[in-house]
Amino acid sequence: NAGVTQTPKFRILKIGQSMTLQCTQDMNHNYMYWYRQDPGMGLKLIYYSVGAGITDKGEVPNGYNVSRSTTEDFPLRLELAAPSQTSVYFCASSTTGTYNEQFFGPGTRLTVL
Amino acid sequence: KQEVTQIPAALSVPEGENLVLNCSFTDSAIYNLQWFRQDPGKGLTSLLLIQSSQREQTSGRLNASLDKSSGRSTLYIAASQPGDSATYLCAVNFRGGSQGNLIFGKGTKLSVKP
Repeated sequence: NAGVTQTPKFRILKIGQSMTLQCTQDMNHNYMYWYRQDPGMGLKLIYYSVGAGITDKGEVPNGYNVSRSTTEDFPLRLELAAPSQTSVYFCASSTTGTYNEQFFGPGTRLTVL
Repeated sequence: KQEVTQIPAALSVPEGENLVLNCSFTDSAIYNLQWFRQDPGKGLTSLLLIQSSQREQTSGRLNASLDKSSGRSTLYIAASQPGDSATYLCAVNFRGGSQGNLIFGKGTKLSVKP
């Protein structure tokens, strides 16, 4: 049982490039989330999904897109990378959105130059 | 606005001491509160989850309490060890927000000296 896995661990992008951050969970959780963590700040929710085919915006969705075609996978897409997107990105999952523990992946450290 | 605050931002204690980390939040309408541990360059490890109907949860040397009416939670660590050195994050799942949106504090960085 691997829990929540994320790839890649590190990535450097040039301004304007695109990339997809991958997230997979093997706990059969319905809910999945993407957060970003900036230095000295709390994590902030980017997007979340309550099940396959259903996604919604969180607090800071601008510049990102998501899709959820399966229960296990929840990729995060950056279309035109900007320096403001330099951050550590965490994927998480839970059984429901209200009463259950969230489990986090190890993170992807992204630098945009 | 729904906010979570953690004080102090950093704490240094000698090994063996019992210590308390504090978390305050602005709205008592919550589903639950979760305490995490984050090691440098690593992901978040869930320590304890307290539902809104509960007063405390315990796991080993850790005890978390919740006082919804005053908007406070504490994480008590007994007999601290150097291996407890990490950043501790408090996160609240408020009612009325996006489903499952945890609002995080900025964390308390704990250093336990041998």
